Amino acid sequence: EVQLVESGGGLVQPGGSLRLSCAASGFSFRSYAMSWVRQAPGKGLEWVSGISASGGSTNYADSVKGRITISRDNSKNTLFLQMNSLRAEDTAVYYCAKDPVRYQFLLFFDCWGQGALVTVSS
Amino acid sequence: EIVLTQSPGTLSLSPGERATLSCRASQSVNNSYLAWYQQRPGQAPRLLIYGASTGATGIPDRFSGSGSGTDFTLTILRLEPEDFAVYYCQQYGSSRAITFGQGTRLEIK
Repeated sequence: EVQLVESGGGLVQPGGSLRLSCAASGFSFRSYAMSWVRQAPGKGLEWVSGISASGGSTNYADSVKGRITISRDNSKNTLFLQMNSLRAEDTAVYYCAKDPVRYQFLLFFDCWGQGALVTVSS
Repeated sequence: EIVLTQSPGTLSLSPGERATLSCRASQSVNNSYLAWYQQRPGQAPRLLIYGASTGATGIPDRFSGSGSGTDFTLTILRLEPEDFAVYYCQQYGSSRAITFGQGTRLEIK
């Protein structure tokens, strides 16, 4: 069974940093592109960032470019999101999500974690 | 950036009825790279449809997608109680700048 489990969420002050992790199991993690998608409280979905299967290609939404870095460790089946210079508007549940096709970078998602809540507030 | 506009914002129907949800793009979606997701309260989204009309694995055949270019539709035949949720469209054909619609809430009438 495919499983994605996020961790690392919490309360952080404006301007602070946080690192999210997503532990993957049940599939060949190194073969699939991955993404982070967020959802502010009571709002819709917003794609944040994606990374290719090898980690050699990354993409970011304009709203987070320069403040957020996506990375992965294929030896540990783990996806990361390093978030710096956090703002109140970054408050959201952050989901990690899996691309459906091996070695493609399609950026739609057939499996999602349960999410990690990040709250940016003083 | 392609803006996706979903309508209606809220749809009130009864179990057994047919639901028709619309997703309109501000410009043509390349290769019909359009997906639909269902999100129940407190849960992560679930992929229903991709490529505008291909059902995802394990999705009941009462869910179907259609459309191309800028106009796309999700149809749900014979609504079941578990179908009442929020539905999002998403385009993934635009140079890595993927976007979601704002969602349609399907509620029990």
